[in-house]
Amino acid sequence: GAGVSQSPRYKVAKRGQDVALRCDPISGHVSLFWYQQALGQGPEFLTYFQNEAQLDKSGLPSDRFFAERPEGSVSTLKIQRTQQEDSAVYLCASSLVYSGESYNEQFFGPGTRLTVL
Amino acid sequence: AQKVTQAQTEISVVEKEDVTLDCVYETRDTTYYLFWYKQPPSGELVFLIRRNSFDEQNEISGRYSWNFQKSTSSFNFTITASQVVDSAVYFCALSEAQTGANNLFFGTGTRLTVIP
Repeated sequence: GAGVSQSPRYKVAKRGQDVALRCDPISGHVSLFWYQQALGQGPEFLTYFQNEAQLDKSGLPSDRFFAERPEGSVSTLKIQRTQQEDSAVYLCASSLVYSGESYNEQFFGPGTRLTVL
Repeated sequence: AQKVTQAQTEISVVEKEDVTLDCVYETRDTTYYLFWYKQPPSGELVFLIRRNSFDEQNEISGRYSWNFQKSTSSFNFTITASQVVDSAVYFCALSEAQTGANNLFFGTGTRLTVIP
């Protein structure tokens, strides 16, 4: 079956430009996560959706970062007025559901590599 | 404070050698989950294993084995008879169930190079 897909795979932006990164989760997956992975580092949590509700955005580094998932499936991460420090790989992950003591693995997409010049 | 520490930045081994990747975690939750992910050069994170805090049984899956010890807050990963295809960056991660969001806290990763 289809996994998590992300587009574009690579994005080059000039400093100050706005960018939009798309994530298509696995069909039926309720939870969706965005992570930022700087070069040589582990992924760091940005934000979390359960269906269309953004339940946690504590990891967003500034108010230039905005994420949405209006219909509870596809999600878009938008970065306004990009800065060089925004250069990173942005990973999207989805999981089936979280319920009580059970846990569902997060399945990751291939990521979008953003380079800000 | 770093919740997951992977002290080994890079490891190189010769093919067929065994190698252990270390992971030490920190949490105040009594219920939590630990993970290992593999990130090959293609960049996609590949799930390897999940353990919950109540299950300290070691696990073996083929050439892979995991040693979970709550007493030392460690969750180490051993590859037996390493192969060139094992070359990748390996991440240990922690999820604190009490957060409700299940976001993962990753270590900084260990880059494993298996030399033919």
